[in-house]
Amino acid sequence: DAGVIQSPRHEVTEMGQEVTLRCKPISGHDYLFWYRQTMMRGLELLIYFNNNVPIDDSGMPEDRFSAKMPNASFSTLKIQPSEPRDSAVYFCASTPPQGIGNTIYFGEGSWLTVV
Amino acid sequence: SQQGEEDPQALSIQEGENATMNCSYKTSINNLQWYRQNSGRGLVHLILIRSNEREKHSGRLRVTLDTSKKSSSLLITASRAADTASYFCATDAGAQKLVFGQGTRLTINP
Repeated sequence: DAGVIQSPRHEVTEMGQEVTLRCKPISGHDYLFWYRQTMMRGLELLIYFNNNVPIDDSGMPEDRFSAKMPNASFSTLKIQPSEPRDSAVYFCASTPPQGIGNTIYFGEGSWLTVV
Repeated sequence: SQQGEEDPQALSIQEGENATMNCSYKTSINNLQWYRQNSGRGLVHLILIRSNEREKHSGRLRVTLDTSKKSSSLLITASRAADTASYFCATDAGAQKLVFGQGTRLTINP
């Protein structure tokens, strides 16, 4: 299995631009998570999906952030407009059908820099 | 807010020594997990301990859980240079969320 695949791995964008991060979970996994990691705040859960349905988006920082999961093999996290404080590593992760409490499999992350 | 808090924030030891990291949490949990993150990479699961377990082993890893003190420890024995990484505890409180601590940055000196 290729694991959780994220793209792009690195992105540098200018403030005000739209950023779209992409994720392909492990085949057969039905939970998908988006996390953000910064030095100041550590690893924060932004949103998670179960069977493509958003379950909890209480971690999404503000309306500039949105996430979708149109099918079981693809999810996006969009920031519009981006701001310098959005600079962070964004991780996508997935778990198998047994649900929460099992191992979470992380992608390698998307390193975002907003200048 | 963070559920788990690791201690120490950073630890530097000599190769071959044992490394102990601690995690404290605030609310009741179903299980607690430890993850490792190498520099520039994603997190990798190491071990899971359930709330009704007190100790668990996996290779050179030993995890303990004290639910009365709401704390856990991760012991890495006979450390190697390849163990250099950040280590995170994560708690599953049953709210279908896995919440991570701030991590311990472990450096193994050759």
